[in-house]
Amino acid sequence: NAGVTQTPKFRVLKTGQSMTLLCAQDMNHEYMYWYRQDPGMGLRLIHYSVGEGTTAKGEVPDGYNVSRLKKQNFLLGLESAAPSQTSVYFCASTTGNSYEQYFGPGTRLTVT
Amino acid sequence: AQSVTQPDIHITVSEGASLELRCNYSYGATPYLFWYVQSPGQGLQLLLKYFSGDTLVQGIKGFEAEFKRSQSSFNLRKPSVHWSDAAEYFCAVDPTGNQFYFGTGTSLTVIP
Repeated sequence: NAGVTQTPKFRVLKTGQSMTLLCAQDMNHEYMYWYRQDPGMGLRLIHYSVGEGTTAKGEVPDGYNVSRLKKQNFLLGLESAAPSQTSVYFCASTTGNSYEQYFGPGTRLTVT
Repeated sequence: AQSVTQPDIHITVSEGASLELRCNYSYGATPYLFWYVQSPGQGLQLLLKYFSGDTLVQGIKGFEAEFKRSQSSFNLRKPSVHWSDAAEYFCAVDPTGNQFYFGTGTSLTVIP
């Protein structure tokens, strides 16, 4: 099993550009999450999904959109990137009844 | 306000010395409690978790944590630190069963 994978690993965007980050898991997990990690801030939840076709806002959802069209994939979109979105983005998944989250390796995004 | 506090931003210990990393939370009921470790450039790995029952939980890599309800704390301990333990450590709580809140992390340096 690959676990949780994230694509791409690195990306540089100019202000105003858009992009989509892909998270994929092969563990048949129901719940999936997107976090951002900033120095001194820990991880903050952006959006999450409790099942295929469902999404919900987390702690810091502004400027991001998500979609969960397939159970194994959770996409995070930035429609108009801003320098404040420079961060490391982590995806995670869990079965929903074990509450242990499995994390991907992260995507480092820089917005100039 | 609900929060997770890791009061120590950075800790330095000598190899072979004992370690205690502090975590306090402020939620109405006892949430699910977790400790994760993050090595540089990597995702997060679960060390241990507490749901209920015995308040002293054992985890991987020789770590343990003790839940103290009266202090709203979940401190992580290790009797003898190894150089490979140098990493960032995050406490996390899940008060609802499907959303994690992370502390800001404690960076551990191990000196020979």
